[in-house]
Amino acid sequence: EIVLTQSPGTLSLSPGERATLSCRASQSVSSSYLVWYQQKPGQAPRLLIYGASSRATGIPDRFSGSGSGTDFTLTVSRLEPEDFAVYYCQHYGTSPPNSFGQGTKLEIK
Amino acid sequence: EVQLVESGGGLVKPGGSLRLSCAASIFSISDYRMNWVRQAPGKGLEWVSSISRTSSYIYYADSVKGRVTISRDNAKNSLYLQMNSLRDEDTAVYYCARTGFGLARGVIQYYFDYWGQGTLVTVSS
Repeated sequence: EIVLTQSPGTLSLSPGERATLSCRASQSVSSSYLVWYQQKPGQAPRLLIYGASSRATGIPDRFSGSGSGTDFTLTVSRLEPEDFAVYYCQHYGTSPPNSFGQGTKLEIK
Repeated sequence: EVQLVESGGGLVKPGGSLRLSCAASIFSISDYRMNWVRQAPGKGLEWVSSISRTSSYIYYADSVKGRVTISRDNAKNSLYLQMNSLRDEDTAVYYCARTGFGLARGVIQYYFDYWGQGTLVTVSS
């Protein structure tokens, strides 16, 4: 089973700053199967990025994903107030389990 | 807009059972793999189970294997999760989620594109 480790656990930044979130896999994975979600308190997760770098429908272009092999990154170029949330990466392979990382909380500094 | 609505959560004693339902609207679940994902209070997301379009392929997380059964009724456009022998650690919000797919760089890619609002299961004596 692939284990995803996200870092940092909490990231404190101010609106307008750039956020860089990391997701590291325990073994090499296809970038086609790396997904990012955003979750705000009391809400269901929302799909942000799939295939490591493809933005989902309606996601602003300040969100971008990159990476390959075992190291993947979600970048928010200029933080807006609504971007402060918890972010999860997921490995969605050809067969389950579809493991999630433990999450990175992006909080206002 | 696509909607997934879970129901069936509640308070149950350890060792008890519960059946969760997820009703879909606007789209036909027969066209999609469906899933359950849970989130314990203050914790992260945990994938629980997946079922293929025709129920031919079913998968469970090790943490629930042997105690839960996922099923679907495509005619009723609904997904289910039968949970037995419940434990304290099963306390969580349970979400149903649709597996969407897209094509990028010539490869089909999968993700959970729509989620329900979740239903809370509390296991406590």
